Amino acid sequence: DAGITQSPRHKVTETGTPVTLRCHQTENHRYMYWYRQDPGHGLRLIHYSYGVKDTDKGEVSDGYSVSRSKTEDFLLTLESATSSQTSVYFCASTGERDTGELFFGEGSRLTVL
Amino acid sequence: EDQVTQSPEALRLQEGESSSLNCSYTVSGLRGLFWYRQDPGKGPEFLFTLYSAGEEKEKERLKATLTKKESFLHITAPKPEDSATYLCAVRGNRDDKIIFGKGTRLHILP
Repeated sequence: DAGITQSPRHKVTETGTPVTLRCHQTENHRYMYWYRQDPGHGLRLIHYSYGVKDTDKGEVSDGYSVSRSKTEDFLLTLESATSSQTSVYFCASTGERDTGELFFGEGSRLTVL
Repeated sequence: EDQVTQSPEALRLQEGESSSLNCSYTVSGLRGLFWYRQDPGKGPEFLFTLYSAGEEKEKERLKATLTKKESFLHITAPKPEDSATYLCAVRGNRDDKIIFGKGTRLHILP
């Protein structure tokens, strides 16, 4: 299994506070992705990265920012959390551009009160 | 914009009862169509990649096929351990986005 870990795994926070989720991979993968998963919506792409300091928006990027200063780390930040951002967040990575074989982390459950 | 639609949303089958899951897609220049399996509380797990119409891939009781507009995941003689959510995703040729459908929840009754 690819070494991809997410932290924290669970977090409860209040509306208006900043939150950062971390994704760390040990596979030297070039591509990294952040998704959120909600009942009835499936997996929705928030942001992705195709290299250090190279990122792009996904389907639901409003209210989220990302940073990738090292190959192994991809950070997702909610500048001011809202209740609509309560979700399970999954990070994924791949080293092969065309196979589509994403390796997923175990998810981070975020609750915004 | 790339889109993926999966049907049905949920499917209940008896053990041994074969069926198919559908994935319809619209994408600007398909670079790959992907199938994943997701168990409750876990991240998705990769199953297959299909690149062009007519291509087929098999793994145990699962077989994935691809046409120019849709893909099917055929499940032959399923067992209870095949119960999971099956996700379809696509990548187009405009960028490196991988877009998922909402998934099909499959429940196999013993």
